[in-house]
Amino acid sequence: KAGVTQTPRYLIKTRGQQVTLSCSPISGHRSVSWYQQTPGQGLQFLFEYFSETQRNKGNFPGRFSGRQFSNSRSEMNVSTLELGDSALYLCASSLAMVRGTEAFFGQGTRLTVV
Amino acid sequence: SQQGEEDPQALSIQEGENATMNCSYKTSINNLQWYRQNSGRGLVHLILIRSNEREKHSGRLRVTLDTSKKSSSLLITASRAADTASYFCATDARSGAGSYQLTFGKGTKLSVIP
Repeated sequence: KAGVTQTPRYLIKTRGQQVTLSCSPISGHRSVSWYQQTPGQGLQFLFEYFSETQRNKGNFPGRFSGRQFSNSRSEMNVSTLELGDSALYLCASSLAMVRGTEAFFGQGTRLTVV
Repeated sequence: SQQGEEDPQALSIQEGENATMNCSYKTSINNLQWYRQNSGRGLVHLILIRSNEREKHSGRLRVTLDTSKKSSSLLITASRAADTASYFCATDARSGAGSYQLTFGKGTKLSVIP
């Protein structure tokens, strides 16, 4: 069974630009969560989608948005990039993000904002 | 916000030795999970322990949970160079619309010297 695939793996953008990251979950998984990982803040929850609906959102500004398609693939978008958005963005899929669910992570997208 | 706090932040041991990492958390939990992350890559699920369990084993891993102290420990026995990674504990918290989100600690960086 193929794992969680994130594209691209690496990205360099300029301040003020926008970026779209993609995540393809494990086949059959309907829940996709996104996390931002930085050395200072660690792993921070961004949002979770289930069956094309955003069920949950972390404490991030509105510049961070996402969506999920009918095939469960998800994208996240960051507009008006800031230097502080440089981070590893991780996507996790699960059958359904309920109590005690194991989450399967992709390899991440390393975003550098210059 | 960080729910779990790992201790120590960094640990360096010789191959063959045991490695113990601790995690403390703040609120009541239903489950606690441990994940491993190799440098700059995705997270790999190691083990889940439920709040009514005190100890769980998986291969060379042993996890304990003390809900009265709100703490957990991960023991890796007979460590190998390939165990070099960062280790995170994560708790799941109910977060609306029937979903849960994982909240991670900042991790323990383990270095196993051959």
